[in-house]
Amino acid sequence: AQKITQTQPGMFVQEKEAVTLDCTYDTSDPSYGLFWYKQPSSGEMIFLIYQGSYDQQNATEGRYSLNFQKARKSANLVISASQLGDSAMYFCAMGLSGTYKYIFGTGTRLKVLA
Amino acid sequence: SAVISQKPSRDICQRGTSLTIQCQVDSQVTMMFWYRQQPGQSLTLIATANQGSEATYESGFVIDKFPISRPNLTFSTLTVSNMSPEDSSIYLCSVGDVMGLGEKLFFGSGTQLSVL
Repeated sequence: AQKITQTQPGMFVQEKEAVTLDCTYDTSDPSYGLFWYKQPSSGEMIFLIYQGSYDQQNATEGRYSLNFQKARKSANLVISASQLGDSAMYFCAMGLSGTYKYIFGTGTRLKVLA
Repeated sequence: SAVISQKPSRDICQRGTSLTIQCQVDSQVTMMFWYRQQPGQSLTLIATANQGSEATYESGFVIDKFPISRPNLTFSTLTVSNMSPEDSSIYLCSVGDVMGLGEKLFFGSGTQLSVL
């Protein structure tokens, strides 16, 4: 069965420091996509970054990078130079090829300290 | 990228009443979905809204409780019927966009529902 696990319910990071949010996944399907979304207190879900299972290089989007370790089935999100506005819930999600069904993790609440 | 307008953004409702949530997309999309996020929980897919046919519901969700309409490729509604306090959640509309192997989802801003 497909599953996403986020083991960190909450994280703190000092402003301007880097932080890593953990995500592990489980699937027997060789084709899948891994996503990270940010949910501020206002409730909307904001797409951050995507990694395909066949991508050779780790995805990067500005201050966000995805540390993809396929053998370990992990897809950790790295946020560099944290800003106060990064304080939010972060969800890791997996989508399988050919389907629109996503599986979401339980989320990590990040608090950036001034 | 799709821009999704969802309304209302929040509502407080009485037990036993119904609320209809609207989702408007700025472009035609094939796939539209409705998710529920219960307090402190992750997102759970309620159903896929199909244009011109009945919605496809996930296990644990039924049409009588969550009727969905999809009259065209840019609009959908979700009704939460006969509400109880357990229905207090954030309800999110999302649409699918092709992005490599996975299908990237765009989300509306959500409807925060509180049932008294």
